[in-house]
Parts: sequence; C-alpha cells; structure tokens
Amino acid sequence: GAVVSQHPSRVICKSGTSVKIECRSLDFQATTMFWYRQFPKQSLMLMATSNEGSKATYEQGVEKDKFLINHASLTLSTLTVTSAHPEDSSFYICSARDGGRTNEKLFFGSGTQLSVL
Amino acid sequence: GQSLEQPSEVTAVEGAIVQINCTYQTSGFYGLSWYQQHDGGAPTFLSYNGLDGLEETGRFSSFLSRSDSYGYLLLQELQMKDSASYFCAYDNYGQNFVFGPGTRLSVLP
Repeated sequence: GAVVSQHPSRVICKSGTSVKIECRSLDFQATTMFWYRQFPKQSLMLMATSNEGSKATYEQGVEKDKFLINHASLTLSTLTVTSAHPEDSSFYICSARDGGRTNEKLFFGSGTQLSVL
Repeated sequence: GQSLEQPSEVTAVEGAIVQINCTYQTSGFYGLSWYQQHDGGAPTFLSYNGLDGLEETGRFSSFLSRSDSYGYLLLQELQMKDSASYFCAYDNYGQNFVFGPGTRLSVLP
C-alpha cells in the first residue's frame, strides 16, 4: 500500500520558536494532502487541505499565518508552526489520498508530537 | 452543519462480536470510512462504503444506509489487539474527510 512518511516524530521547543513538519508520499504522487490536529483522546480535526502548486485551504478557525503550509511538489507538503506557544502543543498528522483506484482511502503519516515549553 | 456521532466507549470480551454505530449529518456525502488508531499511533484504514450495504474484510465488516444517514463497523472474533479507538469519517464532496469523535474499544480477556 501507499506510504506516507512524516518527520520529525517528536519535537520539543521553546515558546516563540517555529517548527517545521514534513510529510512525504513515498511511492505515489499526492496532489492533495491533509493536515490534522489531535488532542489526547479526541478526534482528528482537519486543519487544512494542502494542494500542490497552489495555496492551502484552511478550515474555519485555523490561523493561516500561524500554520504555514507549503506543497511545493507532488510528494512533499510541509506545515510550519510559527511562533509556537504552549497551546499549540498537540499531535499533528498528515495524510494523503492516493489518486488512483484507492481514492477513497487516506494514508496517514506517523504523526508529530509537538510540545511547546 | 456537518457532524458525526459515535458512542464514546465500548467494552467487550475476547472472541465476542461488537458493533460500533455512526450517524452523520452533512450536506455533501460521497461515502463513509472507518479507521483504527492505537494509542500514540497513526490512524489506519479499515473499510469504506460508497454504496448502501455491507462490505466485508476479514474479521471487520462495515455497513451503510444512506437513507438513514447511518453506518456501523462490525468486529468479529475480537482479539486483545483490537483494543483501540475507531473513527468513522465521511468523504466530503470528494474534497476532504471529516472524522467522528471516535469510539474507544476495550477488549477484556
């Protein structure tokens, strides 16, 4: 099956710094990738849809200037949390839909646990 | 608006059968998916229903009724490793996926 690689798996940073998370589709091209945020024992909340070569589509309530998304190629999307604060601490997961016959299936990265001190 | 509802917790014993229900409300719907997530891990795909009826994949089956805006995941021959959170999610106009609140399944020996 399709593989999505996400790095880093865990980040601890000081308040005010920026953190970049990478999401790569390893064996397929992903024109669209999705970024989710998950708090402990809660659901996955869609933050934004990342589109290759164009601006990301952010969900209501998600600050686009704080969560910068870049989808520069068909295999790479990045999420940068700018000026991180403790309330940004969360589990961030990327996912992609293989555009082929498995279009109904999302493949997830392993997630990034962000802790802001 | 858009929403899904699932029971928050379900408990069953090894070898049993458990059904996790999901109801949804949305103006755009292409299909219903089910994902499994173990603590600290990423969600993994289990099943998808694009049409009404039952889809069977090994010990897991999923059902959809569009007219009732309802679906369920059926897990048979439960094993300890099935203890996890289970999420239903709908395909929103083919644009993105919206996830339900999740059901935490505990399988007891």
